[in-house]
Amino acid sequence: AAGVIQSPRHLIKEKRETATLKCYPIPRHDTVYWYQQGPGQDPQFLISFYEKMQSDKGSIPDRFSAQQFSDYHSELNMSSLELGDSALYFCASSLGRGGGGSYNEQFFGPGTRLTVL
Amino acid sequence: AQSVTQLDSQVPVFEEAPVELRCNYSSSVSVYLFWYVQYPNQGLQLLLKYLSGSTLVKGINGFEAEFNKSQTSFHLRKPSVHISDTAEYFCAVRPPGNNRKLIWGLGTSLAVNP
Repeated sequence: AAGVIQSPRHLIKEKRETATLKCYPIPRHDTVYWYQQGPGQDPQFLISFYEKMQSDKGSIPDRFSAQQFSDYHSELNMSSLELGDSALYFCASSLGRGGGGSYNEQFFGPGTRLTVL
Repeated sequence: AQSVTQLDSQVPVFEEAPVELRCNYSSSVSVYLFWYVQYPNQGLQLLLKYLSGSTLVKGINGFEAEFNKSQTSFHLRKPSVHISDTAEYFCAVRPPGNNRKLIWGLGTSLAVNP
């Protein structure tokens, strides 16, 4: 079965540079979530989108922005990168309005490992 | 607000021994409960989940967990571990409803030794 695709898998940037991370959800999934996992840390929720609209916002820095496009893929744009932005960035997708009940499982991509030098 | 506490940051265990990874949560509303596994240099994989019904939940790779509402716990167990179970294990909660974010514990590093 198709899974969540993230690109690139690895990214190395210098301080103050910009980076764009991409997430392609499972086909028919309309909700995307972004999480940041620092070294030895638990994943922290950044932001989510449902049907191309922001649905929830977590600890996303002002230097970051994200959007969901008409084909439901999402991009996380990161500017003025800092050393502390080095982390594993996970994207997850779900079907926001699944049949019956209110449970919609989040399926995770493999992550993009960002290293800021 | 919800929070998750994983009581052990590291659990070393010998191969074929039983293991229990502890998870307690705090929430003023009912929540869904999850255990995820993260193998070295890989993404997060769902091990098992509790939504409702039977409090004993069986997952993949021989893992199971028991939801205890009175103790607000959701401990993960496996009767006999393998070297390949060496990984980071995360407990997470989420309130019911669509498009809700997961709230994570800090993780437990399981190291299975021969």
